[in-house]
Amino acid sequence: GAGVSQTPSNKVTEKGKYVELRCDPISGHTALYWYRQSLGQGPEFLIYFQGTGAADDSGLPNDRFFAVRPEGSVSTLKIQRTERGDSAVYLCASSHDRGAYNEQFFGPGTRLTVL
Amino acid sequence: QKEVEQDPGPLSVPEGAIVSLNCTYSNSAFQYFMWYRQYSRKGPELLMYTYSSGNKEDGRFTAQVDKSSKYISLFIRDSQPSDSATYLCAMTGNNNDMRFGAGTRLTVKP
Repeated sequence: GAGVSQTPSNKVTEKGKYVELRCDPISGHTALYWYRQSLGQGPEFLIYFQGTGAADDSGLPNDRFFAVRPEGSVSTLKIQRTERGDSAVYLCASSHDRGAYNEQFFGPGTRLTVL
Repeated sequence: QKEVEQDPGPLSVPEGAIVSLNCTYSNSAFQYFMWYRQYSRKGPELLMYTYSSGNKEDGRFTAQVDKSSKYISLFIRDSQPSDSATYLCAMTGNNNDMRFGAGTRLTVKP
């Protein structure tokens, strides 16, 4: 079946602009995660959804970052007033559930460049 | 100090060599230990996961976890050029909240 998909694959924006990044998880997966991966680093946790609710947003770096998952499937990560330091690959992952260990399946990521 | 430490390399080996990758960690609550492979401009894909201490083998890959030393390893036997990628260790407790290492970039030369 289809894996996790993310759009756009690349996004170039100017400092101060607003961007939205989209994630389509694997059908039936209730848990959805956003990570940020800076160059030469491993993925860094941002936020986790169980169904429609953000169960853990402790990784969001500041209030310019916000994410939604209104129908418990597709999720959008929103970044306001982008800064050059926001440039990174934003990865989305989904799993069947959370709790104990459930394999997280990753999408290919959206490469965000803030000029 | 980061929760998970991993030498970023790069590591270059000839085809057929045995590759050893490792990570150390500080959080004793971690119970599940994973190795992901990430090709350039792709998302990470799970190679292996291990629960608690012990060894796990899958084909040419062997994962080892030593919780007493807070040290995990991945061994690749008979390495192939197709194994060239970045290898990420990751670990979590009971809440599936993963923490990743920085990744080791591996090149296997024909």
